[in-house]
Amino acid sequence: GENVEQHPSTLSVQEGDSAVIKCTYSDSASNYFPWYKQELGKGPQLIIDIRSNVGEKKDQRIAVTLNKTAKHFSLHITETQPEDSAVYFCAASTGYSSASKIIFGSGTRLSIRP
Amino acid sequence: NAGVTQTPKFRVLKTGQSMTLLCAQDMNHEYMYWYRQDPGMGLRLIHYSVGEGTTAKGEVPDGYNVSRLKKQNFLLGLESAAPSQTSVYFCASRPRIETSQGLAGSSYEQYFGPGTRLTVT
Repeated sequence: GENVEQHPSTLSVQEGDSAVIKCTYSDSASNYFPWYKQELGKGPQLIIDIRSNVGEKKDQRIAVTLNKTAKHFSLHITETQPEDSAVYFCAASTGYSSASKIIFGSGTRLSIRP
Repeated sequence: NAGVTQTPKFRVLKTGQSMTLLCAQDMNHEYMYWYRQDPGMGLRLIHYSVGEGTTAKGEVPDGYNVSRLKKQNFLLGLESAAPSQTSVYFCASRPRIETSQGLAGSSYEQYFGPGTRLTVT
């Protein structure tokens, strides 16, 4: 089955700098890659997602890149702000078939230093 | 519109006790999921449901049972709790998306509840 590995497990960056989180997946059939943000005491919330027919997607300060050949995808946060501090999860899925089970990475705890 | 709600928020059980976690969603979503979250292991799927009256096993189903008698509710049961089931449990839901809509770029976003922190002593 699918396996998703996420690095690093913790990341601390200065406010205003960029943060990058990387993930690899094992199932070449995966075609949907969401990123979730989890704030303390809350459930995860989708922040951006990308499909396998797209190499990059941007939404304001957040961008995701996908390399299907290498089976890895990354989250980039630019101009980091204190409210970006949270745990981030990458995930992979085979898309819209049936219930489209999502396999999550182990998470990255991002801390923004003032 | 409350979204996805979970009851209770916290619970402490003794080994061997039973309990039921309730998940409710008011978004008329077809699909519902139960996950557990453990440190360093992300979210792992326990069971899921693609519609009222149907359930299926996820990655870590042992020791849990589920029921989906009503579309808006998804119940997770522990018949005989064990310390290994100490975890934070999250419920999620999402709408069913037809293949054509999926190809057009609809989101497969799962909407998560706030979680239930369960400790088994």
